[in-house]
Amino acid sequence: GQNIDQPTEMTATEGAIVQINCTYQTSGFNGLFWYQQHAGEAPTFLSYNVLDGLEEKGRFSSFLSRSKGYSYLLLKELQMKDSASYLCAASPYGQNFVFGPGTRLSVLP
Amino acid sequence: EAQVTQNPRYLITVTGKKLTVTCSQNMNHEYMSWYRQDPGLGLRQIYYSMNVEVTDKGDVPEGYKVSRKEKRNFPLILESPSPNQTSLYFCASTAGTANNEQFFGPGTRLTVL
Repeated sequence: GQNIDQPTEMTATEGAIVQINCTYQTSGFNGLFWYQQHAGEAPTFLSYNVLDGLEEKGRFSSFLSRSKGYSYLLLKELQMKDSASYLCAASPYGQNFVFGPGTRLSVLP
Repeated sequence: EAQVTQNPRYLITVTGKKLTVTCSQNMNHEYMSWYRQDPGLGLRQIYYSMNVEVTDKGDVPEGYKVSRKEKRNFPLILESPSPNQTSLYFCASTAGTANNEQFFGPGTRLTVL
């Protein structure tokens, strides 16, 4: 079966660093994705990992360990506008995508 | 402007009344998908299409149909909607590139009474 797990909610302070974890179990693996979704809006792409290691993109970084079925999204220098849901998604094969339930992040002043 | 459009954005209907939600993309993407998003369950893939006339079931296809007669359009059809299909629906498209970034439409909020 396919299963992706991530924390439901997290809270952090403006200017801090937060790490959002994601574990996955899928029948195949074609890559791990992170999306950001503000309330009432469509998801937008943040990052993609297919090999083990860290991918850095400005304030956002994403890490993948294929052997452990584990990924995290690291957000640095948090800003109020980073308050959103963060969706972890795995691609078992082709264009089949499995999303986690999403982590709602609240950034407090 | 590169975009995915969906219509309608909001729809309230009654059980059993057939409806179609349209999806169109102007990026010449091969791949298109439909998702539904429900609280606590996240995004779940309904159907996807690898190209014109090629469609496949996602994780929750029951009660839905799709067609891909043209590359840019991928309509979602509910032949006989039921209240458990009340949800927020997203269409997405993807180019045939390595990172498979998906571009999502703005969403369609459907209520079936």
